Formats: sequence, structure tokens, C-alpha cells
Amino acid sequence: RKEVEQDPGPFNVPEGATVAFNCTYSNSASQSFFWYRQDCRKEPKLLMSVYSSGNEDGRFTAQLNRASQYISLLIRDSKLSDSATYLCVVIAPPGNTGKLIFGQGTTLQVKP
Amino acid sequence: DAGVIQSPRHEVTEMGQEVTLRCKPISGHDYLFWYRQTMMRGLELLIYFNNNVPIDDSGMPEDRFSAKMPNASFSTLKIQPSEPRDSAVYFCASSFGTASSYEQYFGPGTRLTVT
Repeated sequence: RKEVEQDPGPFNVPEGATVAFNCTYSNSASQSFFWYRQDCRKEPKLLMSVYSSGNEDGRFTAQLNRASQYISLLIRDSKLSDSATYLCVVIAPPGNTGKLIFGQGTTLQVKP
Repeated sequence: DAGVIQSPRHEVTEMGQEVTLRCKPISGHDYLFWYRQTMMRGLELLIYFNNNVPIDDSGMPEDRFSAKMPNASFSTLKIQPSEPRDSAVYFCASSFGTASSYEQYFGPGTRLTVT
């Protein structure tokens, strides 16, 4: 079983739609979680951290469910510029290093 | 400000040849990471350094791969001899401080093709 699993998609949605991605992680000792974004043929960039209480950054909302070991990312009012691959990321336990474990990514295509 | 710089951006080489990838991290960053990305395996951490010292090389696929960081502003990843299955995009990333080591700044990558 992969340490971090994501539905690769692609998710094809119209502009203005709300879309949600889920990600599951296998190691219950994992403490820190993030979403990175990667545009086509570009480098990954940090999108947002995922906090236990959930957190919001504009149109983006990230949530964590420790009991079920999954992380979600919700994008409201999708824009064409949101088209990208979204990578779910977990810091390898014990968590005090920079060792990131990336999911395979979920591809989002927003259509006009 | 300059981001992470990698060279070359593209490399095409024949099987058996030595390949050297180069990285200049962001000035002041004390962590440096080498990743490999393929369609099949996604983004994998190969090795990372803290203050120029290799901390974890468990992701290095085999002895053909080696990485060095002779100073805070330069690192290399070497493949010798190269094989077609090494074809991938290799990213270098850097970050600052243990508490923020998750916020990694990636370079543009080196697209390696081994024929």
C-alpha cells in the first residue's frame, strides 16, 4: 500500500464549480500535512498547510480527519487558473525533518 | 530574488554515460533535497542534506547514484553509469529551518532522457 494515496483524476469541471479532492495516508503516526500545487511541466509549489481544525485560504479549504486518516481540499468557484495537479503531502514520522512524502497527485482541469 | 537554480534544464545522453546534475539552493537555506519525478512513481525523495551534511539517502535507488554538497551554495547529483530507466525529471529543492522544512522551494527541474 502506498504511504499517500490520491485519486489521479482527471477532474474536469466548469468554471465556477466547487470541487473536492481526498487523500489518504497509511501511517497513523503522521503529524503534518500539506497540499502542493504543480502546473504542467513546472515545479511543485506549496499551496497550503492542513491543520487539525481545518483551515481556509480564500477559495481553498483544507481539512484533516485523523480518525479516518484522510485529508481533503475543497476549491470553491473554480477558475481557469486553478487547472493544475494537486499533490497531497505528508511529513514522514517522527515529523521533525523535512522528509516529505508526496501522493501521485490529482489533476484538475477547469473548462470555460 | 533568485530561486533555486538547476542546470542543465534538459539532458539527453546515451546509456552508460555519466550524468551530473547541478543545483544552487536559495541563499540562506540550510536544507537541500533531491527528488525524482516519473509518471509511474510520482515524486520521490532521493536524498536530503542539512547544513551540507547528508541526513537521509534511503531514497537513492542504487550505487549508481551519488550526491554531494561541498558547500552551502552548491550540490550535485551524479548517475554513473546511466540507464534508460533513469529517465525522469530531477528536482532540487531547498528550505530554511527545521520548523519550516516542509515549505520547500523547488527548482525548475532537469529533464533527463537516457537512450
